Amino acid sequence: DVVMTQSPLSLPVTLGQPASISCRSSQSLVNSDRNTYLSWFHQRPGQSPRRLIYKVTERDSGVPDRFSGSGSGTDFTLKISRVEAEDVGVYYCMQGTHWPWTFGQGTKVEIK
Amino acid sequence: EVQLLESGGGLVQPGGSLRLSCAASGFTFSSFGMGWVRQAPGKGLEWVSFIYGDGSATFYADSVKGRFTISRDNSKKMLYLQMDSLRAEDTAVFHCTTGSSLRSGPEYWGQGTLVTVSS
Repeated sequence: DVVMTQSPLSLPVTLGQPASISCRSSQSLVNSDRNTYLSWFHQRPGQSPRRLIYKVTERDSGVPDRFSGSGSGTDFTLKISRVEAEDVGVYYCMQGTHWPWTFGQGTKVEIK
Repeated sequence: EVQLLESGGGLVQPGGSLRLSCAASGFTFSSFGMGWVRQAPGKGLEWVSFIYGDGSATFYADSVKGRFTISRDNSKKMLYLQMDSLRAEDTAVFHCTTGSSLRSGPEYWGQGTLVTVSS
């Protein structure tokens, strides 16, 4: 299985400051159709996950533009340009190129 | 509005069986792949299984292969997960999921149903 490794696992952030989460895969996520199936999810306590980003850089409808995704191959990053209070929770990356699709361990974002 | 409503969770003894259901609405059900993602208490997310829109293909995580069976009834807009030979490590909230391309991660999630395997 493709192992997705996120870092850091815990991220204390200051409101209004940027934040960045790294996600590395044990294999290239470039699919035979030339797409790279790497997505990002945000889960608040007691809620279901919400997709933020898909195919590395595509932002979902309604997702604030302070969220952005980047990367290629095996190295990916989720950036929040200015953290807001509603951004707390756990962030997961997920690869959909190789079955079984797999998630990272999660990064817990909290306000300092 | 897309809605996914799971049911069928509960407490079951090790070795027992349970059938989860997911009632879907708000989209053309037969056009979308559907999947189950689970989350053990306090843990991360794990893909369990998914099925093509027309039901022609199914996929399973190794951890459940041979024990779980995913199916769908497009006429009723229902997704199912038959779980047999349950183990303590299957204890989790099971989410029904869908989207235009599940490879890109589920756009839509149900609220989940809790399965507890314990004696």
